[in-house]
Amino acid sequence: DAKTTQPPSMDCAEGRAANLPCNHSTISGNEYVYWYRQIHSQGPQYIIHGLKNNETNEMASLIITEDRKSSTLILPHATLRDTAVYYCIVKNRGSTLGRLYFGRGTQLTVWP
Amino acid sequence: DAMVIQNPRYQVTQFGKPVTLSCSQTLNHNVMYWYQQKSSQAPKLLFHYYDKDFNNEADTPDNFQSRRPNTSFCFLDIRSPGLGDAAMYLCATSTLSTGNTDTQYFGPGTRLTVL
Repeated sequence: DAKTTQPPSMDCAEGRAANLPCNHSTISGNEYVYWYRQIHSQGPQYIIHGLKNNETNEMASLIITEDRKSSTLILPHATLRDTAVYYCIVKNRGSTLGRLYFGRGTQLTVWP
Repeated sequence: DAMVIQNPRYQVTQFGKPVTLSCSQTLNHNVMYWYQQKSSQAPKLLFHYYDKDFNNEADTPDNFQSRRPNTSFCFLDIRSPGLGDAAMYLCATSTLSTGNTDTQYFGPGTRLTVL
């Protein structure tokens, strides 16, 4: 049962930052926000996750609002290879045996 | 490189003819998952194994079964495929232990066609 809301599609110019929003207004205190992406005809790929602090890794940054009801995934310099469906997923880390319930996601198209 | 491998990448079967999809992993993860992804839809969890313990999702049809003979391998059996079972089938793994990220690693998928 997806507990997130994402825009169905977004586009971004190559080299620019891509900011993908996600609403999770019913998130509970022990639930994390995970982001995965799926490039066409491939399996989903983990990007990043967070609880309440902002997180950054080599792929992206995750900004979570103070009330934790929404978050934004930031790809700082989008490339054509970042064109994919991006899924925002809310889940308990570990206690639900890792179940991922995917919503519809956001189709990000990066154009040259 | 450690990875999740799915064979075959493309599988064609006939209506009602049993089919088995396979997944293997070199990550030594204790959890393995099977997802179904129909065209233009999000992946949907069918079931998963936590070590040898099988966990079925409530809405997974009985037509779908799974076997995990050892840590490295997991199979998806479709006993009597229907036209509606045509989809991409994704295998994933994760390790659930204290301190880990609980990240799932996905294979490339097997695309099943039912004629």
